[in-house]
Amino acid sequence: AQTVTQSQPEMSVQEAETVTLSCTYDTSESNYYLFWYKQPPSRQMILVIRQEAYKQQNATENRFSVNFQKAAKSFSLKISDSQLGDTAMYFCAFMKHSNNNDMRFGAGTRLTVKP
Amino acid sequence: NAGVTQTPKFRVLKTGQSMTLLCAQDMNHEYMYWYRQDPGMGLRLIHYSVGEGTTAKGEVPDGYNVSRLKKQNFLLGLESAAPSQTSVYFCASSYGSGHQPQHFGDGTRLSIL
Repeated sequence: AQTVTQSQPEMSVQEAETVTLSCTYDTSESNYYLFWYKQPPSRQMILVIRQEAYKQQNATENRFSVNFQKAAKSFSLKISDSQLGDTAMYFCAFMKHSNNNDMRFGAGTRLTVKP
Repeated sequence: NAGVTQTPKFRVLKTGQSMTLLCAQDMNHEYMYWYRQDPGMGLRLIHYSVGEGTTAKGEVPDGYNVSRLKKQNFLLGLESAAPSQTSVYFCASSYGSGHQPQHFGDGTRLSIL
């Protein structure tokens, strides 16, 4: 079974600064997808960024970027120029390419951006 | 364009009662999913559907049934609710599988007494 571990239950960052959220996963698969989802207090899950394991280039979406280390099975999320609206729970998720309907989530990191 | 709509948003049930949660999407997505979210845990997949008339089990399917009679709707049923099913339930849909983004509803908070 695939497991996703987020070792930081809570983090905080000052507005405009940079923060990195950690995620590691365990799998024997060689091809898979990785995701970061954001869940603000409104509760709706929102996709932040995604990465395909066969792509070596790290994904970037505006202020959000990832550091994908396939050998280390690590997938961290970097948020640059943090904004108050970034305050949310962040979930790392994994999906096998061979069973690409079964997404496994980590337990989440609660991020607070302080003014 | 409403996206993914879940009904109801809140519900309290007694042990042994039954109920159905409704998920509706207006994006013409083929794939639909039901997850549950418990404190201190990420979302866990209950059941999913890859098209009208098809359903499949996810990670935690026991105690739940689903139906996808229409493409836009995905129903989650609890035949005999148990306190262990107290959770927040999320529905999601996607155009395709794999790397295609899943679009989530706002969740249903269900309490079983």
